[in-house]
Amino acid sequence: DGGITQSPKYLFRKEGQNVTLSCEQNLNHDAMYWYRQDPGQGLRLIYYSQIVNDFQKGDIAEGYSVSREKKESFPLTVTSAQKNPTAFYLCASSDRVGADTQYFGPGTRLTVL
Amino acid sequence: SQQGEEDPQALSIQEGENATMNCSYKTSINNLQWYRQNSGRGLVHLILIRSNEREKHSGRLRVTLDTSKKSSSLLITASRAADTASYFCATDPSNDYKLSFGAGTTVTVRA
Repeated sequence: DGGITQSPKYLFRKEGQNVTLSCEQNLNHDAMYWYRQDPGQGLRLIYYSQIVNDFQKGDIAEGYSVSREKKESFPLTVTSAQKNPTAFYLCASSDRVGADTQYFGPGTRLTVL
Repeated sequence: SQQGEEDPQALSIQEGENATMNCSYKTSINNLQWYRQNSGRGLVHLILIRSNEREKHSGRLRVTLDTSKKSSSLLITASRAADTASYFCATDPSNDYKLSFGAGTTVTVRA
């Protein structure tokens, strides 16, 4: 899983609660990404960031928020507005946004009770 | 939206056999990448092939790219139990800066 850590590995949330997933990288990469993976499906992009203090919506940003205050950190908040948040969340980073290889963290499995 | 689509969805082979999976995509690309995901883990990059390349090798992996057919194939030779995983293709559309992943091929290697 390279130099990217995600915590926690498992997370349980009650309906109506916001939760924050942590993602840290020590690869000195400029770009960071959050993906959602549902069973038997590919990865869908939630948000990405090209540089500190900048981030862009991906394909399924509704109900999620992010921040990028430090180069090495890109936390994802799953808000109560996300209708179906139970999924496997993957964080990744790359030297720059675009064609470069992405390095993935081990993932966080979020379950809404 | 998903740009790439892998085929087959699932593949079961005997140890020592070769495994081939395909990826088709819709728009022109800068490059195409293949990733592996073991169950419940993050993705691991396997190989990247650029749009001006036709074939690339890495150990027991062989990737081909046919831009006229908008398709790629990944061949794993002499498979091992440790190759059991899901394999995803990811494309970088030439008018976009985001990777688009397919739904993956699940490969099971039987001992």
